[in-house]
Amino acid sequence: DIQMTQSPSSLSAFVGDRVTITCRASQNISNYLNWYQQKPGKAPKLLIYAASTLQTGVPSRFSGSGSGTDFTLTISSLQPEDFATYYCQQSYSTPPLYTFGQGTKLEIK
Amino acid sequence: EVQLVESGGGLVQPGGSLRLSCTASGFTVSNSYINWVRQAPGKGLEWVSVIYSGGTTDSADSVKGRFTISRDNSKNTVYLQMNSLRADDTAVYYCARDGRSGYVPYYYYYMDVWGKGTTVTVSS
Repeated sequence: DIQMTQSPSSLSAFVGDRVTITCRASQNISNYLNWYQQKPGKAPKLLIYAASTLQTGVPSRFSGSGSGTDFTLTISSLQPEDFATYYCQQSYSTPPLYTFGQGTKLEIK
Repeated sequence: EVQLVESGGGLVQPGGSLRLSCTASGFTVSNSYINWVRQAPGKGLEWVSVIYSGGTTDSADSVKGRFTISRDNSKNTVYLQMNSLRADDTAVYYCARDGRSGYVPYYYYYMDVWGKGTTVTVSS
């Protein structure tokens, strides 16, 4: 099974900061990597798929990069509504048998 | 509007059974991959089970032999039958549709539509 490890587990930042979250896969997954945002009491929301493709309607301050085993999610200028928990997810196999990272909680400083 | 609505959650005793429903609108479940994903209190997301458009299914090892996913095309609904429930099955259960981009054989899959979730509590 492919394991996904995110770092850090939690992060505090100011509005306007640039923030990067990393995700590492236990094996090469090419660019079959998705990112989700989840706010308390809400369902996850897709932000990015295929490592770097922004889902329709997602603000351009979100970006993703990486390939192989190492991936990053970057928020260029944090907005108040961005404080949430972020999850990476691999979709390497066809059809996909997903695994998620453990999540990164982004808190306001 | 494309949406998914879960129902059927509740309180059940250890060893009991429960059936969750996920009803779709705005698209057809028989043409889609539909997943169940759960989230234990204060924990992360865990993929549970999937039913593919062709009707085949797969499940996580943690629920194999206890949970069964199925669908009723006439009701545009996917079900998760949960038997032999344990305390560690306590979670919010979400259903989610797979979106797909790309081209054969390089498709990218992701969960693009989610329901709001239904809560399952296993406790005596």
